[in-house]
Amino acid sequence: DAGVIQSPRHEVTEMGQEVTLRCKPISGHDYLFWYRQTMMRGLELLIYFNNNVPIDDSGMPEDRFSAKMPNASFSTLKIQPSEPRDSAVYFCASRKGTSGDHNEQFFGPGTRLTVL
Amino acid sequence: LAKTTQPISMDSYEGQEVNITCSHNNIATNDYITWYQQFPSQGPRFIIQGYKTKVTNEVASLFIPADRKSSTLSLPRVSLSDTAVYYCLVGDYGTGGFKTIFGAGTRLFVKA
Repeated sequence: DAGVIQSPRHEVTEMGQEVTLRCKPISGHDYLFWYRQTMMRGLELLIYFNNNVPIDDSGMPEDRFSAKMPNASFSTLKIQPSEPRDSAVYFCASRKGTSGDHNEQFFGPGTRLTVL
Repeated sequence: LAKTTQPISMDSYEGQEVNITCSHNNIATNDYITWYQQFPSQGPRFIIQGYKTKVTNEVASLFIPADRKSSTLSLPRVSLSDTAVYYCLVGDYGTGGFKTIFGAGTRLFVKA
């Protein structure tokens, strides 16, 4: 299995532009998570989905952030408009719903976002 | 979700055993204890999970005392490649949803 795939790996954009991050979870996994990591705030859970349905989006910082999962093999995290404080590494992770290890999430390589 | 407390950083030498302790005084009955490892420029990677007593796998051991208010991750004979950040998480991931809270973690630096 290729693991969790994220694209792009690096994104540099200017303030005010729309940014779309993409994630392909591991096939057969029921849950998908979006995280953001910064030096100041550490690793934060933004939102997670179960069977393509958003379950908890309480970590989404504000209305400029939105996430979708149109099918079991694809999810997007969109920031519109982007701001310099959104600069971070964004991770996508997935897991099975019935795994014997209750919290074994598999993380992607991350997207490093820089907003100028 | 129970709050966890870990040392900010630890140093060790190659070949030594490293023990990282995590405090979780408010752990609930259904909570599990999970540890992740994160290398620079990579996403976290699951290491081990346990509920009580001792769990061992090919990478590490996890010791959990009877009161479950703390846990210790034990890495046997560390090498330079074990330099990473180690996170302790506590939660009911089986029935309580999958909201995952990562704390600051413990930055382990292994020296030659």
